[in-house]
Amino acid sequence: DTAVSQTPKYLVTQMGNDKSIKCEQNLGHDTMYWYKQDSKKFLKIMFSYNNKELIINETVPNRFSPKSPDKAHLNLHINSLELGDSAVYFCASSPIRQGAISIPYEQYFGPGTRLTVT
Amino acid sequence: GQQVMQIPQYQHVQEGEDFTTYCNSSTTLSNIQWYKQRPGGHPVFLIQLVKSGEVKKQKRLTFQFGEAKKNSSLHITATQTTDVGTYFCAGGEGDSWGKFQFGAGTQVVVTP
Repeated sequence: DTAVSQTPKYLVTQMGNDKSIKCEQNLGHDTMYWYKQDSKKFLKIMFSYNNKELIINETVPNRFSPKSPDKAHLNLHINSLELGDSAVYFCASSPIRQGAISIPYEQYFGPGTRLTVT
Repeated sequence: GQQVMQIPQYQHVQEGEDFTTYCNSSTTLSNIQWYKQRPGGHPVFLIQLVKSGEVKKQKRLTFQFGEAKKNSSLHITATQTTDVGTYFCAGGEGDSWGKFQFGAGTQVVVTP
């Protein structure tokens, strides 16, 4: 069983279209993330949810809207796609490391969705 | 905001040699994580360091967290062809729970 799965794996679409990427994790983690990896392989965090609550919302255009229907799912909807949105989008989840201060532990990444906007 | 710099960007290594990649943050980190991404793959977790001055080893890999919790290093001994990939550090921001700033990565190429 895949721990973190994403669909679709590849997405080719034209400028101006709206598309969604789905992510599911079966690890029972409370925290989930969306990352964007550009052509230079730079990984940038976009959003983070903890127990379905949005806790991190980086400076991402409003065209990007995450939705977490339950703890196991975190979807990403993108409106009015632009050429610059072309990248690999990774979903990740992590457990919480309990201690004096609880912090997120290792992140399990999905296989990625390669989005190409033409 | 926090910036995490990683050097070198590229590392060409002869099989059997050692190398080190460094990660430096402009601010104090709550913790640091290291990941490895093979070509065409996704990042895979290697280690998390939380304590000041912490050193952890995984076989040929040695990870270190600086005393000031602003820098970290990954040292690989006796490099093998299986070590090929991009190594990322990810710094956890002290005042922003759950937010990790990734370095640009060190792309490692191993020649036999």
